[in-house]
Amino acid sequence: DVVMTQSPLSLPVTLGQPASISCRSSQSLVHSDGFTYLSWFHQRPGQSPRRLIYRVSNRDSGVPDRFSGSGSGTDFTLKISRVEAEDVGVYYCMQGTHWPPETFGQGTKVEIK
Amino acid sequence: EVQLVESGGGLVQPGGSLRLSCEASGFTFSSFEMNWVRQAPGKGLEWVSYISRSSSSRYYADSVKGRFTISRDNAQNSLYLEMNSLRTEDTAIYYCARGTSDIWGQGTVVTVSS
Repeated sequence: DVVMTQSPLSLPVTLGQPASISCRSSQSLVHSDGFTYLSWFHQRPGQSPRRLIYRVSNRDSGVPDRFSGSGSGTDFTLKISRVEAEDVGVYYCMQGTHWPPETFGQGTKVEIK
Repeated sequence: EVQLVESGGGLVQPGGSLRLSCEASGFTFSSFEMNWVRQAPGKGLEWVSYISRSSSSRYYADSVKGRFTISRDNAQNSLYLEMNSLRTEDTAIYYCARGTSDIWGQGTVVTVSS
């Protein structure tokens, strides 16, 4: 199974400042069809996860443009350009290239300083 | 509104069984693959099972293989997870998720305890 490793696991941030989360996979996530199936999810306390980004860098409908995804191969990054209070919670990366199983990172908890 | 609503969770003793349901609305259910994903208390997300649009393909995590069965009824816009021989480590919130996990339900809580 592909292992997804996120860092940091805890990220205290200041409102209005940028934030960045790293996600590394144990093998390349480039599929034979040429796409890279790496997604990012946000889970607020007590809520179900919400997908923010799919195929590395595509924002889902309604996701603010302060969220951006980048990366290739085995190294990926989620960036928040200016953190807002509603951005707190846990962020997960997930690979869907080498499945089953789809595998998730351990999660990164974002909190306001 | 596109929506997934899970039900069927509850408290069950080890070795017991439960059947979870996920009702879809606001989209053409039969056009989408579906997944179950779970989250143990205070833990991360774990993919559990997948089913194709026609039910011809089904996959399971090693941790549930042989004990859980995924199914769907496209006429009823519903997804199911039959869970047998439940263990304490199956305690979690169970979510259904559409396709590439773009839409998630609110989850249903399964507690396995004596």
